[in-house]
Amino acid sequence: LAKTTQPISMDSYEGQEVNITCSHNNIATNDYITWYQQFPSQGPRFIIQGYKTKVTNEVASLFIPADRKSSTLSLPRVSLSDTAVYYCLVGSNNAGNMLTFGGGTRLMVKP
Amino acid sequence: GAVVSQHPSWVICKSGTSVKIECRSLDFQATTMFWYRQFPKQSLMLMATSNEGSKATYEQGVEKDKFLINHASLTLSTLTVTSAHPEDSSFYICSARGVAGGPETQYFGPGTRLLVL
Repeated sequence: LAKTTQPISMDSYEGQEVNITCSHNNIATNDYITWYQQFPSQGPRFIIQGYKTKVTNEVASLFIPADRKSSTLSLPRVSLSDTAVYYCLVGSNNAGNMLTFGGGTRLMVKP
Repeated sequence: GAVVSQHPSWVICKSGTSVKIECRSLDFQATTMFWYRQFPKQSLMLMATSNEGSKATYEQGVEKDKFLINHASLTLSTLTVTSAHPEDSSFYICSARGVAGGPETQYFGPGTRLLVL
């Protein structure tokens, strides 16, 4: 399983764009990159998933360079409610393949 | 998106008793479910992988006789913490693989907070 490395914590202010970068140098050919958000005492919530280039949904964008050894989660115009821990995970979508969590990035959004 | 539920959301029990936690995939069938444990300020740690109709696969260091997992149907997996002790107090989270408009991925339940007195 590919190991991921993320910053332990980040601070931002309301209304700013936040970019969280994740390194996954050993990503395999059939691995996808998935980001989750977790609030205290809640289960992780799926944010976005991608394989290459750029993926965008209603809450975030995911940028993946051609070598796929890193990825960047972009949160536009964050609010206080975006304060949470964000996890980057890589793994294949084969049935039975589990996701292994790294340390995550603790994002603090300040007023 | 795919929805996974857990019951109960929290439980307090006396040391030595057993506690059962249910995990259900509400709008999709999950051939594989996963159980994680999370201690305060730490990341999720995978405990076991549960496949419908077969024995669970436990991660190294997780006692299979203490954490009994049953996956009797495509929408239900249960985790039973047998003879619970205070050190088993933790946040238990299940997940299931499913599809919600894109590649199959894991969707997580809301978690169950266990406190053993």
